[in-house]
Amino acid sequence: DTEVTQTPKHLVMGMTNKKSLKCEQHMGHRAMYWYKQKAKKPPELMFVYSYEKLSINESVPSRFSPECPNSSLLNLHLHALQPEDSALYLCASSYTSGSMNEQFFGPGTRLTVL
Amino acid sequence: QKEVEQNSGPLSVPEGAIASLNCTYSDRGSQSFFWYRQYSGKSPELIMFIYSNGDKEDGRFTAQLNKASQYVSLLIRDSQPSDSATYLCAVNIEMETTAGNKLTFGGGTRVLVKP
Repeated sequence: DTEVTQTPKHLVMGMTNKKSLKCEQHMGHRAMYWYKQKAKKPPELMFVYSYEKLSINESVPSRFSPECPNSSLLNLHLHALQPEDSALYLCASSYTSGSMNEQFFGPGTRLTVL
Repeated sequence: QKEVEQNSGPLSVPEGAIASLNCTYSDRGSQSFFWYRQYSGKSPELIMFIYSNGDKEDGRFTAQLNKASQYVSLLIRDSQPSDSATYLCAVNIEMETTAGNKLTFGGGTRVLVKP
């Protein structure tokens, strides 16, 4: 299995809702990432988990809450989002978080906040 | 601010020609460099990575790295209409404030291959 899966593919939520994005990989990778990508912009790093511990938080607002229950699974919990948070949310994984490791992206969740 | 710069394009090339994409970066400590292809509405797909000066070839793709001049390039030989996409250059930059590395992406170059 050489892929990263993400669910759901699309999500529409109101500003008062709570929802979660899920990411899974079975490649034995020990680093997992969340990125946010707005239209016609490059991906922007949000969080890095290394060996199931949060190692990088790029000053992301607390309405985004990451969780790494085990080495294969990464969640992003969403609460009280704003319309400007509408974007493609990408999960990625790599063997480790070292600089020589390739990151492989999942298909993304397209989020719309009303 | 550590930056990665790309020409946004579009870079228009005829089918069968060579597409040449360039990327410059500001952090001299950068150690590894990646090229991703992203079709509209899809996620980035890794096509090449390079960490040593010189050329690296994989099929129709060649990545070139020059650390002294701080640029990395991608050549696409025998361009096909299916190569029409946005190509993202990504550089692995060591974080100053926390332990670890992060990928920083350039803005991407849109490539259009015309039949």
